[in-house]
Amino acid sequence: NAGVTQTPKFQVLKTGQSMTLQCAQDMNHEYMSWYRQDPGMGLRLIHYSVGAGITDQGEVPNGYNVSRSTTEDFPLRLLSAAPSQTSVYFCASSYDRDGLGKLFFGSGTQLSVL
Amino acid sequence: AQSVAQPEDQVNVAEGNPLTVKCTYSVSGNPYLFWYVQYPNRGLQFLLKYITGDNLVKGSYGFEAEFNKSQTSFHLKKPSALVSDSALYFCAVRPFMNRDDKIIFGKGTRLHILP
Repeated sequence: NAGVTQTPKFQVLKTGQSMTLQCAQDMNHEYMSWYRQDPGMGLRLIHYSVGAGITDQGEVPNGYNVSRSTTEDFPLRLLSAAPSQTSVYFCASSYDRDGLGKLFFGSGTQLSVL
Repeated sequence: AQSVAQPEDQVNVAEGNPLTVKCTYSVSGNPYLFWYVQYPNRGLQFLLKYITGDNLVKGSYGFEAEFNKSQTSFHLKKPSALVSDSALYFCAVRPFMNRDDKIIFGKGTRLHILP
């Protein structure tokens, strides 16, 4: 089983550039989310979705957009990249939209903004 | 506001000794509690969770965690550490009555098992 697939694994951007981080899951999970991981900060929730067509903000949503047109895909868009967005990004999904089930994580995208 | 704290940035344990990774939380109402582990260059993996019932929860790879409501703690434990247990460990919490579906993670504790 593929589980949660994130692409790309690595990306370097210049300030002001835009890009989309892709996330797909093949487990028919309702809940999907994006986290960023920074040293000493742990994981912080950016955006999440409890089903197709439904998205909401997490702790640190500024500078990021998401959409959920299908159950499988949950892309994260950076419209104008800033150095403060240099981080490792993880997508996660869960079969339980109430959060009682375990999260399945992708392998991460390491993003550097110069 | 809900929060979770991992007071130790790093824990060093000799192989074969028992290990404890600490976690305390602050939520309104009853919590759902989780532990995750992250190996180098990998995503997080689920270890165990507490929803209700027995305060001692057993999980993957021989780990267990004890829920203590009076101390608002959920410490991760293992009776005998292995070098392969060296990794970054995250505690996470979600309030029972939270309808926002958000799971909050601690900052992580790096566990070093010394041969």
